[in-house]
Amino acid sequence: DTEVTQTPKHLVMGMTNKKSLKCEQHMGHRAMYWYKQKAKKPPELMFVYSYEKLSINESVPSRFSPECPNSSLLNLHLHALQPEDSALYLCASRTGGSGNTIYFGEGSWLTVV
Amino acid sequence: QQQVKQSPQSLIVQKGGISIINCAYENTAFDYFPWYQQFPGKGPALLIAIRPDVSEKKEGRFTISFNKSAKQFSLHIMDSQPGDSATYFCAASKQSSGDKLTFGTGTRLAVRP
Repeated sequence: DTEVTQTPKHLVMGMTNKKSLKCEQHMGHRAMYWYKQKAKKPPELMFVYSYEKLSINESVPSRFSPECPNSSLLNLHLHALQPEDSALYLCASRTGGSGNTIYFGEGSWLTVV
Repeated sequence: QQQVKQSPQSLIVQKGGISIINCAYENTAFDYFPWYQQFPGKGPALLIAIRPDVSEKKEGRFTISFNKSAKQFSLHIMDSQPGDSATYFCAASKQSSGDKLTFGTGTRLAVRP
């Protein structure tokens, strides 16, 4: 089973709203990721958590705030977003050890109005 | 040095034909090369992956060919079907920093009935 579950699937928010995207995996993976994908573009890495600690922040604006409450859960808190932040937000997780296989969730479609 | 160049940008193939997508990389430290398939509105799904110690890997109708000296790898889809119509991304990473996938720009494949 290689399932990464993301909620909500669709989210529309105003520029002054605060919302959160949630991600869950039960594969025992110890690395979890947030990616952002714009239309017709490849995914862009935003954050990496390794063993529940933030290990990579790809210079993402502070209006995006990640959180890893435990090894199975990953949140992305959103506040004061801009319309250009509208995109597909993908959560992913990685097998450990010598494997580099990264599995993606279905994504959360975010529209900022 | 972190780029992965992918071609063509789009591809139209008749049902039953062979689809070929090419990627080239510069960083010789890359040692893991996955291909992802993405349908509209869905997250990328791992299709097949290869390591540089082998020159070819086949899974069903999908084959990766790898040329280490040329720093190139390609995806061949045999007997292409309309259900294969999707966007395909090649990617590369280093096992030592398995947290970061470098993606190609993507190929939109359309298989005509």
